[in-house]
Amino acid sequence: DIQMTQSPSSLSAFVGDRVTITCRASQSINSYLNWYQVQPGKAPKLLVYGASNLQSGVPSRFSGRGSGTDFTLTINSLQPEDLAIYYCQQSHSVPRTFGQGTKVEMK
Amino acid sequence: EVQLVESGGGLVKPGGSLRLSCAASGFTFGSFTMNWVRQTPGKGLEWVSSISRSGSSIHYADSVKGRFTVSRDNGKNSLYLQMNSLSGEDTAIYYCAREDYFSNCLPPCYHYYMDVWGKGTTVTVSS
Repeated sequence: DIQMTQSPSSLSAFVGDRVTITCRASQSINSYLNWYQVQPGKAPKLLVYGASNLQSGVPSRFSGRGSGTDFTLTINSLQPEDLAIYYCQQSHSVPRTFGQGTKVEMK
Repeated sequence: EVQLVESGGGLVKPGGSLRLSCAASGFTFGSFTMNWVRQTPGKGLEWVSSISRSGSSIHYADSVKGRFTVSRDNGKNSLYLQMNSLSGEDTAIYYCAREDYFSNCLPPCYHYYMDVWGKGTTVTVSS
C-alpha cells in the first residue's frame, strides 16, 4: 500500500497569512494526488485534483503543486472560513490512501 | 442539485451488524464508481470500499475485508454497505462519495477523485 505522510499535523496562522501543507508519498504517484477540506459538521470537499487542478467553485487562494512523491497545498491569504482539517489522498492505486490530516487553526 | 444522502447509522453492540444506505440524486448514478470513506477523530479519513458503475469491480480496505460488503442498485440510485462483525475500531462517520476522473495524456491516464460527498452517517460500536 502507498503511505501518505502530511506535515505539519497542525498549524496556527493569522488571517491573511500564506499557509503551506506538505504531503509525501512512500513511492512515486506521478500527479495522482488530490486534496480535500473537512470542516466540522460538513461533508468533505474536494479542493484540488490531479495535484494542481483547482476544483470548480474553490477560491483561487488555494493552489496545489508537485509530482512524484512530494506535493504541497498552499492557501494564500488565509481566511477565517479556511478553519478545517486538510487531507491529501493518492489515486495512483487501490487502496486509495489518505494522509493523516493537517489541522489549520487561526491565531 | 447533485446530492448524496447517507442513512442507517446508529449504535450497535460489538459483533453486531448494520446496513448503511446512500441515496443519490441530481446525476446519472449508474455512470459513476462509488466509494465509502470513514472518518474517525484518531485516524482521520480512511477509504473503506469502492464499487464500479456496473458493480462488477469491487475493492475493500484490508481493515474491513471479509466483514463489509458493498453493493449498489442503479435502478434505485442507491449505494449500500453491509457491515458485519463490528468492533470499536469501526466507530466512525461513514461517507459515500462519487468518483469522477479526467485524462490529460496519451495513451489515456485516468486521474480519479471524489468530487461529491454526502454529509455522513454516524456508526457507534459500543456495549
